Amino acid sequence: EDQVTQSPEALRLQEGESSSLNCSYTVSGLRGLFWYRQDPGKGPEFLFTLYSAGEEKEKERLKATLTKKESFLHITAPKPEDSATYLCAVQDTGTASKLTFGTGTRLQVTL
Amino acid sequence: KAGVTQTPRYLIKTRGQQVTLSCSPISGHRSVSWYQQTPGQGLQFLFEYFSETQRNKGNFPGRFSGRQFSNSRSEMNVSTLELGDSALYLCASATWGGGAKNIQYFGAGTRLSVL
Repeated sequence: EDQVTQSPEALRLQEGESSSLNCSYTVSGLRGLFWYRQDPGKGPEFLFTLYSAGEEKEKERLKATLTKKESFLHITAPKPEDSATYLCAVQDTGTASKLTFGTGTRLQVTL
Repeated sequence: KAGVTQTPRYLIKTRGQQVTLSCSPISGHRSVSWYQQTPGQGLQFLFEYFSETQRNKGNFPGRFSGRQFSNSRSEMNVSTLELGDSALYLCASATWGGGAKNIQYFGAGTRLSVL
C-alpha cells in the first residue's frame, strides 16, 4: 500500500528565513510525485510534478526536488503570502489517477 | 478558462439522510476524481470516473457512490449519513487520467456537516 509521510507537521518562519519541507514516500512503482498548496477554505492548488529521481523544478521562491525515497520543497526567503498548508501526493503506476496524500505541513510566515 | 466547480459549497444534514454533491470539471477534462478531507485522515481517495465509467475505487463503504454523465459532470452520493461523514469533499478533474503528466486540478470543495 502506498504511503506518504510529511514533516514537520507545522513550521513557523520569519519572513526571509529559508527552510525545507520533507515528504517521504513508499510506492510499488512511482508514476509521479505532486506538490500542492492549500489555503484555508479552498481546494488544493497544483504546484509541481516530479517524475524521476534527481529531477528538480522551481517556481518563484519554491523549489522541489526528488530522490528515490523522498522529496523536498525548499522555500527561499519566504513571504507572509507563502503561508498555507503544503501537501505532497504520489501516484502509483498501478492505480490510474489515484493520488495518495500526506497529511501536509502547515507553514506560517510572519513579518 | 473556468476551473472545477463544486456545488453546493456547504451542506448541513442529519444522520440517516442522504446527500448528493455535484462537480463540473474543467472544459475538455474527461477524468473526475473525488476525495474526502478530514483533519484526522487528510485527503483520502474515494473514486475516479473516466468516460462515464468508474475506473478506480478507494476503501470506503458502499454508502459512497458516484456517477459521471456524458458531459463529464459528476455527482457523488452518500446514503445513510453518519456523523463521521462530516468532511470537506473535493473533486478533481484531469484531461484523460492514468498518467503522471496528467495533472489533477481541484475544486473548492463541498463542506458537509452531519448533525
